Amino acid sequence: QKEVEQNSGPLSVPEGAIASLNCTYSDRGSQSFFWYRQYSGKSPELIMSIYSNGDKEDGRFTAQLNKASQYVSLLIRDSQPSDSATYLCAVIIESGGSNYKLTFGKGTLLTVNP
Amino acid sequence: GAGVSQSPRYKVAKRGQDVALRCDPISGHVSLFWYQQALGQGPEFLTYFQNEAQLDKSGLPSDRFFAERPEGSVSTLKIQRTQQEDSAVYLCASSAGGWSEQYFGPGTRLTVT
Repeated sequence: QKEVEQNSGPLSVPEGAIASLNCTYSDRGSQSFFWYRQYSGKSPELIMSIYSNGDKEDGRFTAQLNKASQYVSLLIRDSQPSDSATYLCAVIIESGGSNYKLTFGKGTLLTVNP
Repeated sequence: GAGVSQSPRYKVAKRGQDVALRCDPISGHVSLFWYQQALGQGPEFLTYFQNEAQLDKSGLPSDRFFAERPEGSVSTLKIQRTQQEDSAVYLCASSAGGWSEQYFGPGTRLTVT
């Protein structure tokens, strides 16, 4: 089982709709969770971090965390064509010997259609 | 302020050549990370520095890969005797400390021919 799993997509939504991106992770002890956006040919850009159960809102973005279910999601309201990108879920996971690493899923490709 | 910078942005190397990739983190960031990203995959952790100390190099794929950060700021990732499987985008990230939010540079696309 991969440590961080995401549906690869593509996820296609019409402009103005809500896009819902999901991620599950394997390490029950993980405490830190991040969403990155990556445009084609560019590097990952941090858009949200979340550390506590529940919702965290920032503009059109809402991150949701449920540690009991080992599930984190990202909602994008009023989706715009400029939101079309790959969204990477990343989790700090213990890698052994008191080492931790930021572990990424493969990413979900989102396309917002005008 | 300025973000993370990396150079060169593109590098083409013949198989067997040595390459050096540079990362200049955000000013004041004590933690620096190197990742490798293959097409269609998420970034994979390579190594981590806190100031000048390399605290974790467990992700380096072979002993041909070597990273340093001698003065606790700029870091260099060196790959000796490059192989075709080394072709990837190499990303550098920095954070204010430990495992807090990481900010990525633009990456170096390495192509080994």
